[in-house]
Amino acid sequence: DAGVTQSPTHLIKTRGQHVTLRCSPISGHKSVSWYQQVLGQGPQFIFQYYEKEERGRGNFPDRFSARQFPNYSSELNVNALLLGDSALYLCASSQSTGLNTEAFFGQGTRLTVV
Amino acid sequence: AQSVTQLDSQVPVFEEAPVELRCNYSSSVSVYLFWYVQYPNQGLQLLLKYLSGSTLVKGINGFEAEFNKSQTSFHLRKPSVHISDTAVYFCAVSDLRSNYQLIWGAGTKLIIKP
Repeated sequence: DAGVTQSPTHLIKTRGQHVTLRCSPISGHKSVSWYQQVLGQGPQFIFQYYEKEERGRGNFPDRFSARQFPNYSSELNVNALLLGDSALYLCASSQSTGLNTEAFFGQGTRLTVV
Repeated sequence: AQSVTQLDSQVPVFEEAPVELRCNYSSSVSVYLFWYVQYPNQGLQLLLKYLSGSTLVKGINGFEAEFNKSQTSFHLRKPSVHISDTAVYFCAVSDLRSNYQLIWGAGTKLIIKP
C-alpha cells in the first residue's frame, strides 16, 4: 500500500508568488493535517481537515489556506510568499481525528522562497 | 500555552551504549505524550505514545519512555543503540488547551559513534 504522498518534493518560489502543495492520504484515511517545519525546529501545526471540513487551525496568517477534496486528498495554498515561509511542509493522514488514531507522515515538500 | 522543551539539540553516544533523550513539558493537566523519529530524508514516524495507564510505555525498535507527572517529563530511553538509530527524535504533547493538536519540541539529533 502506498503511504502518504506529497508533491512536489522540492519547490523554489520568488517572494510575493503563490504556491500550492498537494497531499494524497493513505487509502481509507479521512483526516489530513498540515505542518510547517522550519530548519532546526519541530513541526508547527497549520490545519487539520476531516471529511472535507476544517477541524483545526494553527496560528498562521490568512495567507495560508487549505482544502480537502471528496477523495480526501488535500491542498495547502500560500499566497504572497515571504522569505520566512521557507520550510519543509509535512502532511499527515489518519483514519479519524482521535488521539488513539496514529498519524502517518509524508516525506514533505521543501519550499524555498528567494 | 503548552510548550515542549527538548534540552539537548544533539546527543552523541557510542554504539551499543544506553541513551536517554530528555523531554519536559509545561502543563501537567491531562496531557497526552508522543515521541516521533525522523530518519534522514524521511517523514516522521511514531515511536510510542502515552495516553493513560502505565507510566512506562514501550515502543518500536526497543525504545521506551516514562511519564513522570510530578516532574512534567517524558524521557525516551534505549538500553543499547545501533548505528541505524541515527535520526532526529521529536517529543510532542497534546492537551485540551491546544485543542488536542500536537505541540512539538525542537528535536534532538541522536549521533551514534562507531
